[in-house]
Amino acid sequence: AQKITQTQPGMFVQEKEAVTLDCTYDTSDQSYGLFWYKQPSSGEMIFLIYQGSYDEQNATEGRYSLNFQKARKSANLVISASQLGDSAMYFCAMREAPYTSGTYKYIFGTGTRLKVLA
Amino acid sequence: DGGITQSPKYLFRKEGQNVTLSCEQNLNHDAMYWYRQDPGQGLRLIYYSQIVNDFQKGDIAEGYSVSREKKESFPLTVTSAQKNPTAFYLCASSTAGGPSAQPQHFGDGTRLSIL
Repeated sequence: AQKITQTQPGMFVQEKEAVTLDCTYDTSDQSYGLFWYKQPSSGEMIFLIYQGSYDEQNATEGRYSLNFQKARKSANLVISASQLGDSAMYFCAMREAPYTSGTYKYIFGTGTRLKVLA
Repeated sequence: DGGITQSPKYLFRKEGQNVTLSCEQNLNHDAMYWYRQDPGQGLRLIYYSQIVNDFQKGDIAEGYSVSREKKESFPLTVTSAQKNPTAFYLCASSTAGGPSAQPQHFGDGTRLSIL
């Protein structure tokens, strides 16, 4: 079964420093997509970054980058120059292939709560 | 602006009562999803739908029901059979398929509590 694992329930980082949030995944599919979302305390889910399984380069979006190691099945999120507003829950997600229903399903990890310290 | 609107933001349910959570999107997305999130946990899929008048059960569908009469709308009913409904409910939408990378777009959620 496809699965997303986030082993860090909580992380602290000093403001302006970089932090890496871990994500490993398990799938037998060749084609899949990996996503990271941010969930502030208000509850909304904010899409941050995407990595496709066939993408040869690591994805980057501003201060966010994704360290994609396909052989190790890991897709770690790197946040550079942390800001106080980065304090939130972060979820790694994988898009399942549409086997029978034709609709993509998304599997989420349990999340990592990041706290940025001033 | 395009987006997903969930209402109400807060909802209280009495014992034995069915309640319906609203989800409307104007993104012209074919696929819509309902998730449940318990405190400190990830998202668990309740139901999802690719097209009008069609939907599939997710991982925790028991005690819930949905309808998809319009492309824009995907309401979720929490029935009295759901014995532990207190949670945060998130609605999402996305394009139904295709090779391009399409993230899910989420509403702001509904917090449901038992009175």
